[in-house]
Amino acid sequence: ETGVTQTPRHLVMGMTNKKSLKCEQHLGHNAMYWYKQSAKKPLELMFVYNFKEQTENNSVPSRFSPECPNSSHLFLHLHTLQPEDSALYLCASSQTASQPQHFGDGTRLSIL
Amino acid sequence: GENVEQHPSTLSVQEGDSAVIKCTYSDSASNYFPWYKQELGKRPQLIIDIRSNVGEKKDQRIAVTLNKTAKHFSLHITETQPEDSAVYFCAAASMDSSYKLIFGSGTRLLVRP
Repeated sequence: ETGVTQTPRHLVMGMTNKKSLKCEQHLGHNAMYWYKQSAKKPLELMFVYNFKEQTENNSVPSRFSPECPNSSHLFLHLHTLQPEDSALYLCASSQTASQPQHFGDGTRLSIL
Repeated sequence: GENVEQHPSTLSVQEGDSAVIKCTYSDSASNYFPWYKQELGKRPQLIIDIRSNVGEKKDQRIAVTLNKTAKHFSLHITETQPEDSAVYFCAAASMDSSYKLIFGSGTRLLVRP
């Protein structure tokens, strides 16, 4: 299934770098999500976009900045990250907020 | 806010046996309960979901039961196979919280051949 595509799959960056994660969905969905998956912790919702509008910011530090230019694309801009930000970042989409979410393969992020 | 607890954290069964994973939730307004399977290095995949207007749903070897009164729901896998080995996550959501999914901590299922 390639309905939700994330790039890059792996990213190693220093704490002072700026990078962006990209998510693209080909399912015609209207809602998109960013999740953080850390070892031995539940999946944590970070941001929600509905029809390109941000509807949820789950107390995420400002060093993570989302962008949703259209309903098919979602970005997560990263700046001045900390070692504890190392995790798998998953993107998901759904037809509407009440419909099942479909996940991408994630970006494995390592902060040096 | 919603809190979802999942048990056990690890589960080892013999091939052919059944496996049961249980989740409890705290928000009585929750009305949507999906289950995801995540194989090592892969994306979480929705395997079954249930809404609060039904008590049980079945799809081949997988079934989910929901007890709204007790606020718990369970995943049942029958005739387990080695390819069922993965981490399973439950989640809960409600219309009141815009269907924001709150996930359990996951159960690592190992099916021994």
